[in-house]
Parts: sequence; structure tokens; C-alpha cells
Amino acid sequence: NAGVMQNPRHLVRRRGQEARLRCSPMKGHSHVYWYRQLPEEGLKFMVYLQKENIIDESGMPKERFSAEFPKEGPSILRIQQVVRGDSAAYFCASSPWGSSGANVLTFGAGSRLTVL
Amino acid sequence: RKEVEQDPGPFNVPEGATVAFNCTYSNSASQSFFWYRQDCRKEPKLLMSVYSSGNEDGRFTAQLNRASQYISLLIRDSKLSDSATYLCVVTPRGGYQKVTFGIGTKLQVIP
Repeated sequence: NAGVMQNPRHLVRRRGQEARLRCSPMKGHSHVYWYRQLPEEGLKFMVYLQKENIIDESGMPKERFSAEFPKEGPSILRIQQVVRGDSAAYFCASSPWGSSGANVLTFGAGSRLTVL
Repeated sequence: RKEVEQDPGPFNVPEGATVAFNCTYSNSASQSFFWYRQDCRKEPKLLMSVYSSGNEDGRFTAQLNRASQYISLLIRDSKLSDSATYLCVVTPRGGYQKVTFGIGTKLQVIP
């Protein structure tokens, strides 16, 4: 029973390039959350998705960032034209639907983005 | 006021000591409460849920005070392996459940 799978674990990009981070939730989980963590800082909520729906993207920067969770395949967090300030750990978490444990999150190991 | 507030610490305590952290929340409609643990450069992991009646798991005790809107985590007989950042989490009642994390309290247990 694989947990939440994130890839790549480490990604290096030059300024102006695009970064794509992927997240496959736990089996049976239909909710995905993305968080960003800067060095020595807390987890900052970015976006909450269900299959084919963005429920809350209030934490997403207005430009360059987008997320999706298609009917088939992993959730993807996309960062266009990366800047040095985008360097961070990006954590994905999933939770089940319709149970008392609906808001207990299981995290992936994270994707660490470094922008040169 | 932030939705969830924690003292970032660090709390430096000797092995065997008892240490307690508090976490305050601003939304009185918050329903579910949790403590997560995050080791350096790793993903957060659920430590324990916090129930209205309080709950205990070995050396760890979690309490909820709805009147004062805070939750607490007590660690007895601290071990070196308890060194980590402890994250407070609250979620609202019903409907869409945005999960909000506190900044975390860093604990360093010293030999």
C-alpha cells in the first residue's frame, strides 16, 4: 500500500524555466493538498483539489503557479518562469473522502526545488 | 490575528524533562485538532489527534481547551529522538475543510 508519492524528489531549474511537480495520492484518497515550505519556515497552504476540481487556491501566487488534479493521473503543480524565491520544499498531502478521518493528511516526502 | 499561532521556540530541554507546548486558534468554529511532527527536511507525520476529553499516547498527552481556544501537547520523560518540530493543526466544522498548520514549535532534547 504505497503512500503519497511525489516526484521528482529534487529538481534544479535555472531562472525562467518551468518546474512541474507531481503527486500521486494514497490509494482511495481523492483529496490533494499542496504546501510550500521555505527554509526555516512553516508550511504554507497553496491549493486544495479534488479530482478535476480546484476547491481552494487561496494560497497560490496569482501569477506563474497553477495546479491540476485530472481524472486520470497524478496531481501536478506547475511553476512557470521560476525565480530564485521559488526555491523551497513543496509537499503534497492527501486525505480520504466522506469519513471521520477526512481531514487527517498523509504527506509525501516532498519535492525540493532549487532555482539557480 | 493568525488562524493558528505557536511559539516557534526553540525549546532546549535535557533528557528526561517534561515539556509542554501550546497552540492557540482564532476560529471558534474549529472542529478537529491534531499534532504533527516534522523532522528536519522530512515530511510532517501525524503524531496524535486531540479530542475534547483529552488523550494520551505513551509519554504524549494532548489537551483541548475550547473556552480559551488552545490545544496543548505534553511530552514526559523526553528522549533525544523527540527532537523535532511539532506542528499544530486545526480544521473547521463541516463542509470544505481547509487544513491550517501552525508555524511549528522546535524542540531540541539535549543529552
